[in-house]
Amino acid sequence: ETGVTQSPTHLIKTRGQQVTLRCSSQSGHNTVSWYQQALGQGPQFIFQYYREEENGRGNFPPRFSGLQFPNYSSELNVNALELDDSALYLCASSLTSGLYNEQFFGPGTRLTVL
Amino acid sequence: ILNVEQSPQSLHVQEGDSTNFTCSFPSSNFYALHWYRWETAKSPEALFVMTLNGDEKKKGRISATLNTKEGYSYLYIKGSQPEDSATYLCASGGTGNQFYFGTGTSLTVIP
Repeated sequence: ETGVTQSPTHLIKTRGQQVTLRCSSQSGHNTVSWYQQALGQGPQFIFQYYREEENGRGNFPPRFSGLQFPNYSSELNVNALELDDSALYLCASSLTSGLYNEQFFGPGTRLTVL
Repeated sequence: ILNVEQSPQSLHVQEGDSTNFTCSFPSSNFYALHWYRWETAKSPEALFVMTLNGDEKKKGRISATLNTKEGYSYLYIKGSQPEDSATYLCASGGTGNQFYFGTGTSLTVIP
């Protein structure tokens, strides 16, 4: 059983650029959630995708967008990067949508915005 | 927005000591509480999913209890070992399939 993987591991961008982060969900899982963890904080929910549709969104501006593909892998896109977007981005997959399902996390992508 | 708080922020214990930490969350509209262990340079690992008031769960030397009426959960580690050193996160589920995480308790077990 393959675990959740994320790419790239680290990324450095400059303010105003755009970035795409990728997540491969665990085999058999149809739900992916994305989180942002800034320094000293707990992970903050960005959004969730269930069967290729957005299925919940946290308090993030529209320049944070996502996609889920038919194989249930997912992308997080961030446009017009700001310095405050520097953070660890985590994705988590679960068997299906719902708050009772265990989430399996990837190792994260560390984004630095200069 | 749910306010999930964890205490203490950090903890240093001697090998063999037992320890516990707290996760507090709003008791209204409770759905589920998740506990995670996050070791440095690794992925967060799910420990427990708790849904019912009075739930008690156990995995080896680690156990957790849940009180949804008063809005808290305790995580206990019996006979701490150096490999238990990690950050322990709790997350409470809210509307819109959203989880609200605490800032974690960082545990260091001194050999």
